[in-house]
Amino acid sequence: GAGVSQSPRYKVAKRGQDVALRCDPISGHVSLFWYQQALGQGPEFLTYFQNEAQLDKSGLPSDRFFAERPEGSVSTLKIQRTQQEDSAVYLCASRVGRLTFLDNSPLHFGNGTRLTVT
Amino acid sequence: GDSVTQMEGPVTLSEEAFLTINCTYTATGYPSLFWYVQYPGEGLQLLLKATKADDKGSNKGFEATYRKETTSFHLEKGSVQVSDSAVYFCALTGTASKLTFGTGTRLQVTL
Repeated sequence: GAGVSQSPRYKVAKRGQDVALRCDPISGHVSLFWYQQALGQGPEFLTYFQNEAQLDKSGLPSDRFFAERPEGSVSTLKIQRTQQEDSAVYLCASRVGRLTFLDNSPLHFGNGTRLTVT
Repeated sequence: GDSVTQMEGPVTLSEEAFLTINCTYTATGYPSLFWYVQYPGEGLQLLLKATKADDKGSNKGFEATYRKETTSFHLEKGSVQVSDSAVYFCALTGTASKLTFGTGTRLQVTL
């Protein structure tokens, strides 16, 4: 079946513009994650959804970042008033089960959206 | 908090050479450990995992053993191929059950 799909693949924004990044997880996957990967670094956790509920947003770097998953499937990461330091690859991942200490089922990652803020 | 430390790259090897990429971790409790791989132009893929001490994860000729006493999960392969050229990420899920990644190690394999 289809994997995790992200769009757009590339996004160039002028500083101060708002952007919206879309993630289509694998059908039926309960858990959805957003990660930010700066150049030459490992992915950093941003936020986590279980179905439509955003259970953890501790990684969002500022109140300019907002994520939603209103129907428990597609998710959107919105960045308002983009800054140059927001330039990174934004990764979405989904997992079939809930996020529990005993659930170590693998995350399935999308190819990411590369955001460049000029 | 949880953290993962990987050896810095790039690691450059000739084809058929032996590979080791070091990974050590800090976590409370009993984390699960993972290696993810990112091939050029592709998304992160799970390579292997181990969920408890002394477990060995293996896939595609790669192996890693969960060593609790040294808090390590080193990645090894006996004979690398050009097609193994990629960025390798060590990661863990701790008590928070979120994936925490290392910074990644780029492997370049030449003929």
